[in-house]
Amino acid sequence: KAGVTQTPRYLIKTRGQQVTLSCSPISGHRSVSWYQQTPGQGLQFLFEYFSETQRNKGNFPGRFSGRQFSNSRSEMNVSTLELGDSALYLCASSPLGVGSSYEQYFGPGTRLTVT
Amino acid sequence: AQRVTQPEKLLSVFKGAPVELKCNYSYSGSPELFWYVQYSRQRLQLLLRHISRESIKGFTADLNKGETSFHLKKPFAQEEDSAMYYCALSGGGTSYGKLTFGQGTILTVHP
Repeated sequence: KAGVTQTPRYLIKTRGQQVTLSCSPISGHRSVSWYQQTPGQGLQFLFEYFSETQRNKGNFPGRFSGRQFSNSRSEMNVSTLELGDSALYLCASSPLGVGSSYEQYFGPGTRLTVT
Repeated sequence: AQRVTQPEKLLSVFKGAPVELKCNYSYSGSPELFWYVQYSRQRLQLLLRHISRESIKGFTADLNKGETSFHLKKPFAQEEDSAMYYCALSGGGTSYGKLTFGQGTILTVHP
């Protein structure tokens, strides 16, 4: 099976702009989670979607939002970008079916730089 | 609240030496624990999950509920084991889509 894919791989934005990142999960996986990775804070959970519904949310401001489509593809949006939003954004998918463990499979990430 | 602590940011060993990467967790229920590894310029990938009790690339990890630990061990380290290692916890139930990660340990295996 193809792995988790994320587009774009790199982005440069200016403060105040908004950005949309995309994630395609492994075929058959219905859960998609998003994480922010920075040198200072490490890996932090943003939110998780399952069957087009946000099921879990991390401690991030409302500027961070997401959605999931019927084909399980997911997007996350960050509005009014701040310098501190510069990070690697990781998407992960999980099968979460009967008999499955809760392991997640990660994409390569989108490197966002805010100037 | 769930928390994962990896006390060592850096760990250096010589090839052939035993290695142990420490992980302690805090969670009130029955968590599921994982070890993820990130090799240079590669994506984060699952190494071990506690429920499978398997050995991957010579690594093992045992969940100790009494000590709330999930240490990763390998009896003979290899140079290709050099990477960043993350311990992660899933709370199960409705929060199983959320992984809480430790800060990571950079393992360097010297020749």
